[in-house]
Amino acid sequence: KAGVTQTPRYLIKTRGQQVTLSCSPISGHRSVSWYQQTPGQGLQFLFEYFSETQRNKGNFPGRFSGRQFSNSRSEMNVSTLELGDSALYLCASSFSGTETDTQYFGPGTRLTVL
Amino acid sequence: KNQVEQSPQSLIILEGKNCTLQCNYTVSPFSNLRWYKQDTGRGPVSLTIMTFSENTKSNGRYTATLDADTKQSSLHITASQLSDSASYICVVRTGTYKYIFGTGTRLKVLA
Repeated sequence: KAGVTQTPRYLIKTRGQQVTLSCSPISGHRSVSWYQQTPGQGLQFLFEYFSETQRNKGNFPGRFSGRQFSNSRSEMNVSTLELGDSALYLCASSFSGTETDTQYFGPGTRLTVL
Repeated sequence: KNQVEQSPQSLIILEGKNCTLQCNYTVSPFSNLRWYKQDTGRGPVSLTIMTFSENTKSNGRYTATLDADTKQSSLHITASQLSDSASYICVVRTGTYKYIFGTGTRLKVLA
């Protein structure tokens, strides 16, 4: 069974630009969550989608948005990039996102903002 | 404020030795506590998930404990191997679909 895939793996952008990251969950998984990981803040929860609906959102500004498609693939978008957005963006999928559902993480997209 | 604190920040041990990592949390409402292993440059991998009523869970050489009264958890690694070198992250799920992450313990196992 293929794991969670994220594209692209590496991205370099400049301040003010926007970026779209993609995540393909494990086949059959309907819940996709996104996280930001930085050396200073560690891992932080961005949002979670299930069946094309956002179920919860972390404490990030509105510049961070996402969506999920009918095939469970998900994208996240960051507009008006800031230097502080440089981070590893991880997505994780699970079957239903219920309480004890195991999350499977992808390898991440490393975003560098210059 | 919901917080998860881990100690130590980093740890160096010799191959074959045991070690214990600590996690203290002040998260409400509590749903479950998870431990993840993250190798450098890779996404985290789930080790254990414990709910309020569980106080011990094992996954091979990894054993996690949970004391819901004191809001403390530990991850014990037995007979460490070089491949155990990684960051170990404690995560508490709170309420509905929200996760609070600790900053991790970076473990280095030396031959």
